[in-house]
Amino acid sequence: QKEVEQDPGPLSVPEGAIVSLNCTYSNSAFQYFMWYRQYSRKGPELLMYTYSSGNKEDGRFTAQVDKSSKYISLFIRDSQPSDSATYLCAMSPNDYKLSFGAGTTVTVRA
Amino acid sequence: NAGVTQTPKFQVLKTGQSMTLQCAQDMNHNSMYWYRQDPGMGLRLIYYSASEGTTDKGEVPNGYNVSRLNKREFSLRLESAAPSQTSVYFCASTLPGHPYQPQHFGDGTRLSIL
Repeated sequence: QKEVEQDPGPLSVPEGAIVSLNCTYSNSAFQYFMWYRQYSRKGPELLMYTYSSGNKEDGRFTAQVDKSSKYISLFIRDSQPSDSATYLCAMSPNDYKLSFGAGTTVTVRA
Repeated sequence: NAGVTQTPKFQVLKTGQSMTLQCAQDMNHNSMYWYRQDPGMGLRLIYYSASEGTTDKGEVPNGYNVSRLNKREFSLRLESAAPSQTSVYFCASTLPGHPYQPQHFGDGTRLSIL
């Protein structure tokens, strides 16, 4: 069983819809939780970061962490075609060694 | 500001050949990483270097060696390439510390082993 599970999708939504992404994990030592965005033929770039449990909002993006359920989520409001990418969850027990999910491919249709 | 630069961008090898993937960062980061990305598997850590002069194995180190040449450069070597090593390889770097410092990735090397 993988340490981090993420549904690979693909997920296709119309422009303006809410995109909901999630990951589950098994390692209770994880404290740092991140979402990376990866455009085609590019390297991942950090989108959101949360330390421990709770919610974090940044513009149209909201990240949620529920450590009791070992479940994290990313919501994208008012989705745009430019949001079409692969979204990778990542997590770590410390601040430098990450475990990644498989990534969910999202397409936002204009 | 280039960030993390990987060379080459593409490479095709025959089984048994060797090659070195190069990575350099210009952000004065202490830590550097090599990952491979395969469909359905996500990014898996091959080796990492927490600081200049140190290297450690990650999740999938077999068949690879690394060299942290200096603070800027971290190379990955395949001594005898196998078809199972066909993948996209990413190098990343970071400056560990609180608050969390993100890993900065290069754009990858696409490697095919025939």
